[in-house]
Amino acid sequence: ETGVTQTPRHLVMGMTNKKSLKCEQHLGHNAMYWYKQSAKKPLELMFVYNFKEQTENNSVPSRFSPECPNSSHLFLHLHTLQPEDSALYLCASSQEEGAGANVLTFGAGSRLTVL
Amino acid sequence: GQNIDQPTEMTATEGAIVQINCTYQTSGFNGLFWYQQHAGEAPTFLSYNVLDGLEEKGRFSSFLSRSKGYSYLLLKELQMKDSASYLCAVRDNDYKLSFGAGTTVTVRA
Repeated sequence: ETGVTQTPRHLVMGMTNKKSLKCEQHLGHNAMYWYKQSAKKPLELMFVYNFKEQTENNSVPSRFSPECPNSSHLFLHLHTLQPEDSALYLCASSQEEGAGANVLTFGAGSRLTVL
Repeated sequence: GQNIDQPTEMTATEGAIVQINCTYQTSGFNGLFWYQQHAGEAPTFLSYNVLDGLEEKGRFSSFLSRSKGYSYLLLKELQMKDSASYLCAVRDNDYKLSFGAGTTVTVRA
């Protein structure tokens, strides 16, 4: 366990389904992130929340909807996804966004397959 | 956009040394990170460089040259458990972090 827990670890969904990914951290961090990891590609930053406020939406399609109810929990709501959205979705947290060493602590990811 | 380049794959023998290079072209520079990711697991932090020079942590060392836009991660006395993907990430002037595609290192007996 890295201190950041993601559920589910694996998810298969059809293009018309609605599902959610959950991320939880109890490290006392104030920033939380969603990244998309596709094979042989760099990690893509999707969303950032700093002190529960969204500070980054990296041109992500509206079929991905983040929610951060408190500084310990982060959700990614999924709706009418496309097969190309199949990837590993990584959640991360850090002390806060921005300056300093700001080391990210990652979860193990949710492997999403869209049929 | 930001550009982070690192080799896709490297193979080395147990007990040997491997050097993973990372070159970057970014909008300014505010630190370079290396992460290790075993298959099916979370990336974990290895090292952070913000000033030129070598940072050593046990068997792993990381070097930075800001003027050349270059870093390397040096893995010494390779062990089988070092087989993993190694991610280089650079933070720019806006403190945004950009990742390379990762280098998969395979250690053979």
